Amino acid sequence: EVQLVESGGGLVQPGRSLKLSCAASGFTFSNYYMAWVRQAPKKGLEWVATISTSGSRTYYPDSVKGRFTISRDNAKSSLYLQMNSLKSEDTATYYCARHWKQLVFDYWGQGVMVTVSS
Amino acid sequence: DIQMTQSPASLSASLGETVTIQCRASEDIYSGLAWYQQKPGKSPQLLIYGASSLQDGVPSRFSGSGSGTQYSLKISSMQTEDEGVYFCQQGLKYPWTFGGGTKLELK
Repeated sequence: EVQLVESGGGLVQPGRSLKLSCAASGFTFSNYYMAWVRQAPKKGLEWVATISTSGSRTYYPDSVKGRFTISRDNAKSSLYLQMNSLKSEDTATYYCARHWKQLVFDYWGQGVMVTVSS
Repeated sequence: DIQMTQSPASLSASLGETVTIQCRASEDIYSGLAWYQQKPGKSPQLLIYGASSLQDGVPSRFSGSGSGTQYSLKISSMQTEDEGVYFCQQGLKYPWTFGGGTKLELK
């Protein structure tokens, strides 16, 4: 059974940093692209970052480019999201997801809440 | 960026009723379209990929169709457990984008 478990969320002040983690199990982690998708309170879904199987290629939307960094450790079956220069508009639930063939997000974690506020 | 527009924003349906949700892309996405269901307090779950392929474990009352810029999700017989928010997503090209969502409630 595929499982994705996020951790590391919390309350952080604007301008500060936070690092999210995602522990994967139930599949061969190194064979899949992985992604982060977020959802602001009562809002829709926004793709945040994707990383290739080896970690050599990363993709971001303009809204987070230069501030967020996605990375992975295939030996630990773990995915990370380093978030710097956080803004109030980054407040959201962040989901770790498997990005199957870079087409769809076929498995999702339970999500972790990030609140950016002074 | 490819913009995804869903309609309606919300709807209510009776048990056993057929429900259809529409999704329009701002350019041809060549059937690179997925549908997700999100129940209250839960993470999204993949229902349909490639516009019409049913994800493993998804009930057969769900179906997807469409091509070019116009796509739809159909629920052939509304059930209580189908309440939630439905999102479409284009997987053709970066940046991957979602529709705004359609909230489905039981009448």
